Amino acid sequence: ETGVTQTPRHLVMGMTNKKSLKCEQHLGHNAMYWYKQSAKKPLELMFVYSLEERVENNSVPSRFSPECPNSSHLFLHLHTLQPEDSALYLCASSHDLYRGVYEQYFGPGTRLTVT
Amino acid sequence: AQSVAQPEDQVNVAEGNPLTVKCTYSVSGNPYLFWYVQYPNRGLQFLLKYITGDNLVKGSYGFEAEFNKSQTSFHLKKPSALVSDSALYFCAVRDMKREDSNYQLIWGAGTKLIIKP
Repeated sequence: ETGVTQTPRHLVMGMTNKKSLKCEQHLGHNAMYWYKQSAKKPLELMFVYSLEERVENNSVPSRFSPECPNSSHLFLHLHTLQPEDSALYLCASSHDLYRGVYEQYFGPGTRLTVT
Repeated sequence: AQSVAQPEDQVNVAEGNPLTVKCTYSVSGNPYLFWYVQYPNRGLQFLLKYITGDNLVKGSYGFEAEFNKSQTSFHLKKPSALVSDSALYFCAVRDMKREDSNYQLIWGAGTKLIIKP
């Protein structure tokens, strides 16, 4: 349960604010992910990093900007968001992205509300 | 196109009864299949996965899932439900035939499982 941590757990921001979400994994994994979870919809993969290199950007608007300074930390920088961006943002990690079939370990998420 | 369907938004089961949460998938190659559970105000937790071999896979908390290739299904089961099993359950698949980004999981929309005492 404490393998992947996320801060803050809750965030309310105006449409003109700039904020950042932080994720840290203590599992020694090589791959990290950002997902958006909206009610009654499949998880939406936003970004994927393998050993600090971004390998996926699923047509995410530029108002979301990821950063991976090392294999243990992942950030999601937010600016000029829209109300429809309100959701639960989940961070996950896995042992490796390409070799093997590894399950993902998730953080508790940040509940984001854009006003 | 690759997809995962969880046909039931919600499943209600009495405590002590067997439970089944359904999942069907559509991929072009051999699938790798996963089940995750999400408790309220928590992230997702891995339950079990199927890669190859025995079609019946056992996982955490007494759950198991059966891979049925002909029906393209991977239903989650438990012989005797507990109230504490009440949560949101997600099925996901990796399509290993995809040449690009075959590491991606394709997710179902989730099924809310309610176990009544």
